[in-house]
Amino acid sequence: AQSVTQLGSHVSVSEGALVLLRCNYSSSVPPYLFWYVQYPNQGLQLLLKYTTGATLVKGINGFEAEFKKSETSFHLTKPSAHMSDAAEYFCAVSEPGGGNKLTFGTGTQLKVEL
Amino acid sequence: NAGVTQTPKFRILKIGQSMTLQCTQDMNHNYMYWYRQDPGMGLKLIYYSVGAGITDKGEVPNGYNVSRSTTEDFPLRLELAAPSQTSVYFCASSELNTEAFFGQGTRLTVV
Repeated sequence: AQSVTQLGSHVSVSEGALVLLRCNYSSSVPPYLFWYVQYPNQGLQLLLKYTTGATLVKGINGFEAEFKKSETSFHLTKPSAHMSDAAEYFCAVSEPGGGNKLTFGTGTQLKVEL
Repeated sequence: NAGVTQTPKFRILKIGQSMTLQCTQDMNHNYMYWYRQDPGMGLKLIYYSVGAGITDKGEVPNGYNVSRSTTEDFPLRLELAAPSQTSVYFCASSELNTEAFFGQGTRLTVV
Protein backbone atom coordinates (compact mmCIF):
# COMPACT_ATOMS: atom_id res chain seq x y z
CA ALA A 1 0.00 0.00 0.00
CA GLN A 2 1.14 3.49 -0.79
CA SER A 3 1.09 6.46 1.52
CA VAL A 4 2.10 10.10 1.34
CA THR A 5 3.20 12.35 4.19
CA GLN A 6 3.26 16.11 3.85
CA LEU A 7 5.02 17.73 6.77
CA GLY A 8 3.41 20.95 7.84
CA SER A 9 -0.27 21.52 7.16
CA HIS A 10 0.38 25.28 7.09
CA VAL A 11 3.50 27.03 5.81
CA SER A 12 4.00 30.79 5.84
CA VAL A 13 6.71 32.61 3.87
CA SER A 14 7.48 36.19 3.02
CA GLU A 15 7.11 37.39 -0.54
CA GLY A 16 10.43 36.83 -2.30
CA ALA A 17 11.54 34.09 0.10
CA LEU A 18 12.23 30.46 -0.73
CA VAL A 19 9.25 28.12 -0.75
CA LEU A 20 9.89 24.55 0.47
CA LEU A 21 7.00 22.12 0.81
CA ARG A 22 7.91 18.65 1.98
CA CYS A 23 6.59 15.34 0.69
CA ASN A 24 7.68 11.84 1.65
CA TYR A 25 6.13 8.70 0.27
CA SER A 26 5.96 5.02 0.95
CA SER A 27 5.59 2.62 -1.95
CA SER A 28 6.49 -0.98 -2.68
CA VAL A 29 7.63 -0.06 -6.20
CA PRO A 30 9.16 3.11 -7.65
CA PRO A 31 6.11 5.34 -7.94
CA TYR A 32 4.99 8.12 -10.17
CA LEU A 33 4.93 11.38 -8.22
CA PHE A 34 2.84 14.49 -8.64
CA TRP A 35 2.32 17.91 -7.12
CA TYR A 36 -1.06 19.55 -7.55
CA VAL A 37 -2.17 23.07 -6.55
CA GLN A 38 -5.67 24.03 -5.49
CA TYR A 39 -6.85 27.63 -5.38
CA PRO A 40 -9.94 28.47 -3.28
CA ASN A 41 -13.13 26.90 -4.62
CA GLN A 42 -11.29 25.40 -7.58
CA GLY A 43 -10.31 21.98 -8.77
CA LEU A 44 -6.78 20.64 -8.66
CA GLN A 45 -4.24 21.74 -11.24
CA LEU A 46 -1.06 19.85 -12.02
CA LEU A 47 2.14 21.68 -11.08
CA LEU A 48 4.63 19.01 -12.08
CA LYS A 49 5.17 15.27 -12.24
CA TYR A 50 7.91 12.68 -12.11
CA THR A 51 7.49 9.40 -13.97
CA THR A 52 10.91 8.38 -15.27
CA GLY A 53 14.14 10.01 -16.36
CA ALA A 54 15.62 13.17 -14.87
CA THR A 55 15.00 13.34 -11.15
CA LEU A 56 14.81 17.15 -11.06
CA VAL A 57 11.56 18.19 -12.68
CA LYS A 58 10.40 21.67 -13.48
CA GLY A 59 6.78 22.70 -13.47
CA ILE A 60 4.59 25.68 -14.02
CA ASN A 61 4.88 29.01 -12.22
CA GLY A 62 8.58 28.53 -11.40
CA PHE A 63 8.14 25.47 -9.18
CA GLU A 64 10.41 22.46 -9.25
CA ALA A 65 10.81 19.20 -7.34
CA GLU A 66 13.49 16.58 -7.00
CA PHE A 67 12.84 12.86 -6.70
CA LYS A 68 15.24 11.37 -4.16
CA LYS A 69 14.78 7.62 -4.07
CA SER A 70 17.17 7.11 -1.15
CA GLU A 71 15.16 9.55 0.97
CA THR A 72 11.76 8.58 -0.49
CA SER A 73 11.11 12.27 -0.93
CA PHE A 74 9.71 14.60 -3.55
CA HIS A 75 9.95 18.09 -2.01
CA LEU A 76 8.54 21.08 -3.88
CA THR A 77 10.54 24.29 -4.09
CA LYS A 78 10.34 27.75 -5.60
CA PRO A 79 13.23 30.24 -5.23
CA SER A 80 11.09 33.33 -4.74
CA ALA A 81 7.51 33.31 -3.47
CA HIS A 82 4.86 35.51 -5.00
CA MET A 83 1.56 36.54 -3.48
CA SER A 84 -0.23 34.57 -6.20
CA ASP A 85 1.37 31.34 -4.90
CA ALA A 86 -0.93 31.34 -1.88
CA ALA A 87 -2.94 28.14 -2.26
CA GLU A 88 -3.15 24.56 -1.03
CA TYR A 89 -0.61 22.12 -2.39
CA PHE A 90 -1.05 18.36 -2.60
CA CYS A 91 1.58 15.72 -3.17
CA ALA A 92 0.31 12.48 -4.72
CA VAL A 93 1.70 9.13 -5.81
CA SER A 94 0.52 6.41 -8.11
CA GLU A 95 1.83 2.94 -8.72
CA PRO A 96 2.87 2.24 -12.31
CA GLY A 97 0.43 -0.28 -13.74
CA GLY A 98 -1.91 0.21 -10.79
CA GLY A 99 -4.74 1.82 -12.71
CA ASN A 100 -3.44 5.35 -12.28
CA LYS A 101 -5.08 5.62 -8.86
CA LEU A 102 -3.68 8.55 -6.93
CA THR A 103 -2.92 8.48 -3.22
CA PHE A 104 -2.83 12.00 -1.83
CA GLY A 105 -1.14 13.63 1.08
CA THR A 106 -3.22 15.72 3.44
CA GLY A 107 -2.12 18.97 1.83
CA THR A 108 -0.10 22.04 2.79
CA GLN A 109 -1.70 25.46 2.89
CA LEU A 110 0.85 28.04 1.73
CA LYS A 111 0.47 31.60 2.97
CA VAL A 112 2.59 34.36 1.42
CA GLU A 113 3.02 37.53 3.44
CA LEU A 114 4.23 40.97 2.42
CA ASN B 1 -11.74 23.28 -24.26
CA ALA B 2 -14.04 21.93 -21.53
CA GLY B 3 -11.91 19.10 -20.03
CA VAL B 4 -13.78 17.56 -17.08
CA THR B 5 -17.19 19.02 -16.31
CA GLN B 6 -19.09 18.36 -13.10
CA THR B 7 -22.68 19.26 -12.27
CA PRO B 8 -24.09 20.55 -10.04
CA LYS B 9 -21.55 22.85 -8.37
CA PHE B 10 -23.48 23.01 -5.11
CA ARG B 11 -26.24 20.92 -3.58
CA ILE B 12 -27.99 20.61 -0.25
CA LEU B 13 -29.61 17.26 0.45
CA LYS B 14 -31.76 16.10 3.31
CA ILE B 15 -30.84 12.93 5.18
CA GLY B 16 -32.17 9.92 3.31
CA GLN B 17 -32.49 11.63 -0.06
CA SER B 18 -30.61 10.40 -3.09
CA MET B 19 -28.88 12.21 -5.94
CA THR B 20 -26.54 11.73 -8.85
CA LEU B 21 -23.42 13.78 -9.37
CA GLN B 22 -22.69 14.12 -13.05
CA CYS B 23 -19.24 14.02 -14.62
CA THR B 24 -18.32 14.17 -18.27
CA GLN B 25 -14.96 14.51 -20.02
CA ASP B 26 -14.17 15.42 -23.61
CA MET B 27 -10.55 14.21 -23.76
CA ASN B 28 -11.39 10.60 -24.70
CA HIS B 29 -9.63 9.36 -21.58
CA ASN B 30 -10.10 5.74 -20.59
CA TYR B 31 -9.54 6.26 -16.86
CA MET B 32 -12.00 8.14 -14.69
CA TYR B 33 -12.18 8.65 -10.94
CA TRP B 34 -14.29 10.03 -8.13
CA TYR B 35 -12.59 11.52 -5.10
CA ARG B 36 -13.95 13.20 -2.02
CA GLN B 37 -12.11 15.97 -0.21
CA ASP B 38 -12.58 16.65 3.47
CA PRO B 39 -10.73 19.38 5.41
CA GLY B 40 -7.28 18.24 6.55
CA MET B 41 -7.74 14.81 4.97
CA GLY B 42 -6.57 15.27 1.40
CA LEU B 43 -8.51 13.47 -1.30
CA LYS B 44 -9.79 9.93 -0.95
CA LEU B 45 -10.68 7.69 -3.88
CA ILE B 46 -14.31 6.56 -3.93
CA TYR B 47 -14.59 4.65 -7.23
CA TYR B 48 -12.68 4.45 -10.45
CA SER B 49 -13.10 3.11 -13.97
CA VAL B 50 -10.52 1.91 -16.49
CA GLY B 51 -12.94 1.98 -19.40
CA ALA B 52 -16.58 1.84 -20.43
CA GLY B 53 -18.36 -0.96 -18.59
CA ILE B 54 -15.61 -1.46 -16.01
CA THR B 55 -15.69 0.04 -12.52
CA ASP B 56 -14.05 -0.79 -9.23
CA LYS B 57 -14.08 0.35 -5.63
CA GLY B 58 -11.57 2.75 -4.21
CA GLU B 59 -10.68 3.47 -0.60
CA VAL B 60 -14.08 4.83 0.58
CA PRO B 61 -16.88 3.32 -1.57
CA ASN B 62 -19.57 2.75 1.07
CA GLY B 63 -22.77 4.67 0.40
CA TYR B 64 -21.94 5.32 -3.25
CA ASN B 65 -22.46 3.67 -6.62
CA VAL B 66 -21.15 4.38 -10.10
CA SER B 67 -21.71 3.31 -13.66
CA ARG B 68 -19.72 3.82 -16.85
CA SER B 69 -21.82 3.22 -19.93
CA THR B 70 -19.80 5.53 -22.19
CA THR B 71 -16.20 6.71 -22.32
CA GLU B 72 -17.29 10.29 -21.63
CA ASP B 73 -19.59 9.94 -18.61
CA PHE B 74 -19.01 8.66 -15.09
CA PRO B 75 -21.91 9.54 -12.76
CA LEU B 76 -21.71 9.02 -9.00
CA ARG B 77 -24.89 7.98 -7.21
CA LEU B 78 -25.58 8.66 -3.55
CA GLU B 79 -28.36 6.56 -2.06
CA LEU B 80 -29.79 7.41 1.36
CA ALA B 81 -27.64 10.47 1.95
CA ALA B 82 -26.03 10.76 5.39
CA PRO B 83 -24.31 13.72 7.12
CA SER B 84 -20.99 11.85 6.77
CA GLN B 85 -21.29 12.36 3.01
CA THR B 86 -21.03 16.12 3.39
CA SER B 87 -17.90 16.82 1.37
CA VAL B 88 -16.49 18.25 -1.82
CA TYR B 89 -16.53 15.71 -4.64
CA PHE B 90 -14.07 15.78 -7.51
CA CYS B 91 -14.23 13.84 -10.73
CA ALA B 92 -11.02 13.30 -12.70
CA SER B 93 -9.87 11.58 -15.85
CA SER B 94 -6.56 10.45 -17.26
CA GLU B 95 -4.80 8.18 -19.65
CA LEU B 96 -2.53 5.39 -18.48
CA ASN B 97 0.58 6.59 -16.60
CA THR B 98 -0.20 10.26 -17.10
CA GLU B 99 -1.53 12.99 -14.87
CA ALA B 100 -5.17 13.26 -13.90
CA PHE B 101 -7.30 16.21 -14.95
CA PHE B 102 -9.81 17.37 -12.39
CA GLY B 103 -13.22 18.97 -12.57
CA GLN B 104 -14.17 22.03 -10.54
CA GLY B 105 -15.88 20.01 -7.84
CA THR B 106 -19.34 19.58 -6.36
CA ARG B 107 -19.88 20.90 -2.85
CA LEU B 108 -22.48 18.70 -1.15
CA THR B 109 -24.08 19.35 2.21
CA VAL B 110 -26.34 16.77 3.85
CA VAL B 111 -28.63 18.18 6.56
